[in-house]
Amino acid sequence: KAGVTQTPRYLIKTRGQQVTLSCSPISGHRSVSWYQQTPGQGLQFLFEYFSETQRNKGNFPGRFSGRQFSNSRSEMNVSTLELGDSALYLCASSLAASSGGGSDTQYFGPGTRLTVL
Amino acid sequence: AQTVTQSQPEMSVQEAETVTLSCTYDTSENNYYLFWYKQPPSRQMILVIRQEAYKQQNATENRFSVNFQKAAKSFSLKISDSQLGDTAMYFCAFMKHGGTYKYIFGTGTRLKVLA
Repeated sequence: KAGVTQTPRYLIKTRGQQVTLSCSPISGHRSVSWYQQTPGQGLQFLFEYFSETQRNKGNFPGRFSGRQFSNSRSEMNVSTLELGDSALYLCASSLAASSGGGSDTQYFGPGTRLTVL
Repeated sequence: AQTVTQSQPEMSVQEAETVTLSCTYDTSENNYYLFWYKQPPSRQMILVIRQEAYKQQNATENRFSVNFQKAAKSFSLKISDSQLGDTAMYFCAFMKHGGTYKYIFGTGTRLKVLA
């Protein structure tokens, strides 16, 4: 099976612009989570989507939003970019089956490196 | 709120030796999962090992094993016969049971395996 894919891999934007990042989960996985990774703050949870619904949200401002499509692919949008938004954005998918048995494990994509100038 | 602490920012080990990475966590939950992930310089986060809190038996995956002490809220990772390819950042992560799919990560330990 193909792993989690993220596009684009690298992105350079300027302050005030907006950006959309894309994530395709492993086939059959229904849950998609997003994380922001920075040297200062480490890995922080942004939000999680399951069956096109946001189930969990981290402590990020409303400029950070996301959505999930019927095929489980997910997008993350950041509006009015700030310098502090420069980070590696990681997407992770889980099978999320009610039977458990390891379906809770998250598998990560390679990330999108966003640089805000 | 849950927290995860990795008290060793950096460690090094000689090739073929054994090294143990520490992780402690704080939670009032009884059912949860713990994970170790590695992030090599290429940046792809890879699952190393997974432990379910209700299982007393420590998880093992080839050269990787954990020492899970639930009462002490400790979850250390032991890497045996260290290889150069083990050089990476290692993150400990906690997730509540019950479909939250939200990991709480530690700050990571940078491990360097020396030839």
